[in-house]
Amino acid sequence: DTGVSQDPRHKITKRGQNVTFRCDPISEHNRLYWYRQTLGQGPEFLTYFQNEAQLEKSRLLSDRFSAERPKGSFSTLEIQRTEQGDSAMYLCASSLALRNIQYFGAGTRLSVL
Amino acid sequence: QKEVEQNSGPLSVPEGAIASLNCTYSDRGSQSFFWYRQYSGKSPELIMFIYSNGDKEDGRFTAQLNKASQYVSLLIRDSQPSDSATYLCAVTINAGNNRKLIWGLGTSLAVNP
Repeated sequence: DTGVSQDPRHKITKRGQNVTFRCDPISEHNRLYWYRQTLGQGPEFLTYFQNEAQLEKSRLLSDRFSAERPKGSFSTLEIQRTEQGDSAMYLCASSLALRNIQYFGAGTRLSVL
Repeated sequence: QKEVEQNSGPLSVPEGAIASLNCTYSDRGSQSFFWYRQYSGKSPELIMFIYSNGDKEDGRFTAQLNKASQYVSLLIRDSQPSDSATYLCAVTINAGNNRKLIWGLGTSLAVNP
């Protein structure tokens, strides 16, 4: 499978715990995006990378959220001290910088109890 | 004013009919326009993209772009029950040195057998 891969698919955690999600983009894509989506809403932009550089981070994003793409390939999104409001689908997408046609992974569904 | 607007629906059409989904956007400088399909509980899947005014056809799908009126539409011919999903419109806007994808909230489509 050469598409965008996300792991895990589902995560249930207790409030206050830290969670980390992983995304493997399409191999030749140099851009990688993280979004969050809740029911009835469009994807909400969180952050994106071009190669290993984090070029933008949403101002709405709490400092409990951090993302890395250390070698310009896979990326991780960490949420510290999770809250119930963090429950959502976390989506990763990748694209080539020149075209910005984004392809999504299957997503990670987070439930914070 | 929201940057990308879609009717939330639900839009209900009989099987075999043409479904027409509309999207308006506010940034006159937008250059790229995308339609994604999202089944319940799944991630967005790219259906079509369009850059130039006019129509672009791909199988049963036609995207129509009118930059002067700032709208983009998606027509689905010979609608099938499997087309029942939420359709998300996304538009690229210029944000500083970057082009950013802005999402609508989606239109829910129900195709009735």
